[in-house]
Amino acid sequence: KQEVTQIPAALSVPEGENLVLNCSFTDSAIYNLQWFRQDPGKGLTSLLLIQSSQREQTSGRLNASLDKSSGRSTLYIAASQPGDSATYLCAVPVQGAQKLVFGQGTRLTINP
Amino acid sequence: GAVVSQHPSRVICKSGTSVKIECRSLDFQATTMFWYRQFPKQSLMLMATSNEGSKATYEQGVEKDKFLINHASLTLSTLTVASAHPEDSSFYICSARDYRGPGNTIYFGEGSWLTVV
Repeated sequence: KQEVTQIPAALSVPEGENLVLNCSFTDSAIYNLQWFRQDPGKGLTSLLLIQSSQREQTSGRLNASLDKSSGRSTLYIAASQPGDSATYLCAVPVQGAQKLVFGQGTRLTINP
Repeated sequence: GAVVSQHPSRVICKSGTSVKIECRSLDFQATTMFWYRQFPKQSLMLMATSNEGSKATYEQGVEKDKFLINHASLTLSTLTVASAHPEDSSFYICSARDYRGPGNTIYFGEGSWLTVV
């Protein structure tokens, strides 16, 4: 059974800092891994999707890496801004299915 | 803009009544949609997979007679909470996968807050 874990559960940093969010998964046979952002009381916004054959994906100040063999992914946020404050979730599809298994999320607060 | 839309965003209903939540894919066809439930400060819990033209597939422990799912068209799935009770109060989110792009990205709706009083 695939399990996804995110560390830390919460993170608070001053504005301008670079930071890394971690995601680990128990079954390395994944098709892809997706990072989402969720603002309080809102739905999810897809940030980055990394295919199993890729090592990383970049979008603006965000960079996501994937190491299948170790069952890990990281989301790197450069030059953090208060508007980056949100909960960040990683998810992987269950093998052979379209269902996503989510981590518990990292609640990020960027202090001005 | 949003590619998956949910309605209503917030609904308050009396205990014992039923409430319907809609999930629409706006510019793509979705043969499969997914319904999640999220409790405060917790992650998403998959409730069921909605299949266009056939019965939904429910996750273990989810009451199919309480959470009725209908996927009557390629762009619309509905979740009906039957005879709602206060413990059904939660945030409900739907999603759909867009197979047109290279990544087959999953898009989520904005979510629906249900409060049962």
